[in-house]
Amino acid sequence: EPEVTQTPSHQVTQMGQEVILRCVPISNHLYFYWYRQILGQKVEFLVSFYNNEISEKSEIFDDQFSVERPDGSNFTLKIRSTKLEDSAMYFCASSPHDRVHEQFFGPGTRLTVL
Amino acid sequence: QKEVEQDPGPLSVPEGAIVSLNCTYSNSAFQYFMWYRQYSRKGPELLMYTYSSGNKEDGRFTAQVDKSSKYISLFIRDSQPSDSATYLCATNTGNQFYFGTGTSLTVIP
Repeated sequence: EPEVTQTPSHQVTQMGQEVILRCVPISNHLYFYWYRQILGQKVEFLVSFYNNEISEKSEIFDDQFSVERPDGSNFTLKIRSTKLEDSAMYFCASSPHDRVHEQFFGPGTRLTVL
Repeated sequence: QKEVEQDPGPLSVPEGAIVSLNCTYSNSAFQYFMWYRQYSRKGPELLMYTYSSGNKEDGRFTAQVDKSSKYISLFIRDSQPSDSATYLCATNTGNQFYFGTGTSLTVIP
């Protein structure tokens, strides 16, 4: 069964460093998403991406964040200058273009900012 | 005001019990409502979604939406220990999605 994959599973970085989180969505899906979940808190929407551009973004997704689909399979989230409060699980998700509510989530990347 | 509110629990039931999980939402314009299951340190897994009001059944799971009271429910019949997880409700406007805080459920054998 196709699945969303994410790498790395755990990323440790120093405050102020740039990190890139990677995702491979399900191959025939056209909508891609990034979410974050701070430990013990709810899943928070960051951004949705369709047709090579951002579809919607939340207030959390400020200038420190960017997304990119560098090739036909990868979808990345870049945090330019990490802060302590960026420590969280980051989930990538994808959905078919005709069933956007059927989102398939990846296993997540745990980001720890020291 | 939060878009979706959910009682975090925890909820503990004996095996075989009927479980009722609930959320309220704020915006009457919301049309789709999703239920996800999340095991510890894993990504959410979509269980089912409904459009507008009414019921939708899938095996032991039934999702219910009452738009008049802005109330959504997930019922689990014949609960099993493997149902022990956190259950998240969600809704959306366009391609922006809003999740509840999740209800932690434990089914005791």
